[in-house]
Amino acid sequence: DSGVTQTPKHLITATGQRVTLRCSPRSGDLSVYWYQQSLDQGLQFLIHYYNGEERAKGNILERFSAQQFPDLHSELNLSSLELGDSALYFCASSVGPANEKLFFGSGTQLSVL
Amino acid sequence: AQSVTQLGSHVSVSEGALVLLRCNYSSSVPPYLFWYVQYPNQGLQLLLKYTTGATLVKGINGFEAEFKKSETSFHLTKPSAHMSDAAEYFCAVRGTGFQKLVFGTGTRLLVSP
Repeated sequence: DSGVTQTPKHLITATGQRVTLRCSPRSGDLSVYWYQQSLDQGLQFLIHYYNGEERAKGNILERFSAQQFPDLHSELNLSSLELGDSALYFCASSVGPANEKLFFGSGTQLSVL
Repeated sequence: AQSVTQLGSHVSVSEGALVLLRCNYSSSVPPYLFWYVQYPNQGLQLLLKYTTGATLVKGINGFEAEFKKSETSFHLTKPSAHMSDAAEYFCAVRGTGFQKLVFGTGTRLLVSP
């Protein structure tokens, strides 16, 4: 158990809908990272928050947004969903801002039908 | 920009045989290099990392990797494969500072009895 909690584990929704994925980092970790894993794109970095502030952005679509709350949990919001958004979304956390050692959650499997 | 290339999307070995998973990196700055493992239905777990210092890095579960600057490689090895080693392995690179972690496309290790 990595100590990173992601909910829900599975999410099935329809095109055009909006969903929210939630992540609770390990106790004491201030950084949260979001990754998308799909068969065709591999593991893609989406966004990084450190202590409530956005640190880095990767290949995150404009339809996607994220935030990190004062209690350090994070949410990834995906809107106007398309079939191609179906993927496994991972959250990871680390102690500091420089992502030397990431602890990954078990992921949320999103299926857009 | 930093990147990694993993040679071979699948590697098959027999139990007890040597495991060699290849990773080559591209980096304009001294790289920090990582190997992560993903077991079925789980998030990624750090196996080992190279930052500075000794070029031969030992990780968990008997794995090790050697940083070779002249070859821009960071191959992962294990002398004797176990059935429990069957998983997907990801090489990753990060530049200095707060740069994001960039993952390779992964290599699936298959271990046969």
